[in-house]
Amino acid sequence: EVQLVESGGGLVQPGRSLKLSCAASGFTFSNYYMAWVRQAPKKGLEWVATISTSGSRTYYPDSVKGRFTISRDNAKSSLYLQMNSLKSEDTATYYCARHYGSHYFDYWGQGVMVTVSS
Amino acid sequence: NIVLTQSPATLSVTPGESVSLSCRASQSISTSIHWYQQKSNESPRLLIKYASQSISGIPSRFSGSGSGTDFTLSINRVESEDFSIYYCQQSYSSLYTFGAGTKLELK
Repeated sequence: EVQLVESGGGLVQPGRSLKLSCAASGFTFSNYYMAWVRQAPKKGLEWVATISTSGSRTYYPDSVKGRFTISRDNAKSSLYLQMNSLKSEDTATYYCARHYGSHYFDYWGQGVMVTVSS
Repeated sequence: NIVLTQSPATLSVTPGESVSLSCRASQSISTSIHWYQQKSNESPRLLIKYASQSISGIPSRFSGSGSGTDFTLSINRVESEDFSIYYCQQSYSSLYTFGAGTKLELK
């Protein structure tokens, strides 16, 4: 059974940093693209970052480019999201997702809440 | 960026009705559209991939159609468990985008 378990969320002040983690199990992690998708309170889904199988290629929307960094450790079956220079508009539930073929998100974690506030 | 416009924003139906949800892309995206269901306080779930391809474990009452710029998610005879929000997502561009969602609610 595929499982994705996020951790590392919490309350952080504007301008500070936070690193999210996602532990994957139930599939060969190194064979799949992975991604982060977020959802602000009462809002829709927003793609945040994608990483290739080896980690050599990463993709971001303009809203987080230069501030967020996605990475992975295939030996540990783990995905990460380093978030720097956080803004109030980054407040959201962050989902780890398997990004099948870099097309659709076929498995999702339960999400972790990040609140950016002073 | 490719913008996806979903309509209607809210759809009020009674169980047993059949419904169609629309997703329109700002440019042609072939069949690179995927549909998700999100129930209240749950993670999204993939329903349909590549516009019309079914997903294992998803009830057969869910189907998708369309190509180019206009796409439709159809639910044949809505059941009570289907009341949730539905999102479309495009993968034609590697700047992946979602629609704003259609909320299917009980009339």
